[in-house]
Amino acid sequence: SQQGEEDPQALSIQEGENATMNCSYKTSINNLQWYRQNSGRGLVHLILIRSNEREKHSGRLRVTLDTSKKSSSLLITASRAADTASYFCATDAGTGGFKTIFGAGTRLFVKA
Amino acid sequence: NAGVTQTPKFRVLKTGQSMTLLCAQDMNHEYMYWYRQDPGMGLRLIHYSVGEGTTAKGEVPDGYNVSRLKKQNFLLGLESAAPSQTSVYFCASSSPTAITDTQYFGPGTRLTVL
Repeated sequence: SQQGEEDPQALSIQEGENATMNCSYKTSINNLQWYRQNSGRGLVHLILIRSNEREKHSGRLRVTLDTSKKSSSLLITASRAADTASYFCATDAGTGGFKTIFGAGTRLFVKA
Repeated sequence: NAGVTQTPKFRVLKTGQSMTLLCAQDMNHEYMYWYRQDPGMGLRLIHYSVGEGTTAKGEVPDGYNVSRLKKQNFLLGLESAAPSQTSVYFCASSSPTAITDTQYFGPGTRLTVL
């Protein structure tokens, strides 16, 4: 059973628009991470937000966490064609990667 | 630094054949993982290791074996491949802290079992 579930499954936008992806999870977590996967490649870590944080920024990325709703969102501002990829949320119920559970991902397509 | 590398990149097997996937990391990470990724399923943990000489089962371990004889290497074996094992396999490594455990992934191995 998957802890994190992303929404939407797929998203297509124009270059310059903002892209928002959501992640819902079921049990209490220590932190939540977002990863990116380009086609045919491995996952790359983007950003981590701890359970006691509500918002975090990194460049054009903004992540929010609402532990009362057990949900997180990833916002990519001013999207570029190079942002085309799949984005996964990963929840950690404890320290140790074997406790990390990945969602099924959101496929983002940014049209130039 | 090469990071996490995987060999081979592609492989086609016939049902019943065996093979070993090799993962190597040069970041001196304690933890290593093997995942499989299937369409619409996200990543599922097959086996993992928290240190040299130790391994443990993940979510979907059946049909696979692993070994971690050296800290930098983590091998995934398929003794008798089945079509259900057609997938993309990713290795990852990490060095957990009290706060987080960011994983670093290899480029993947695409395996087809006929």
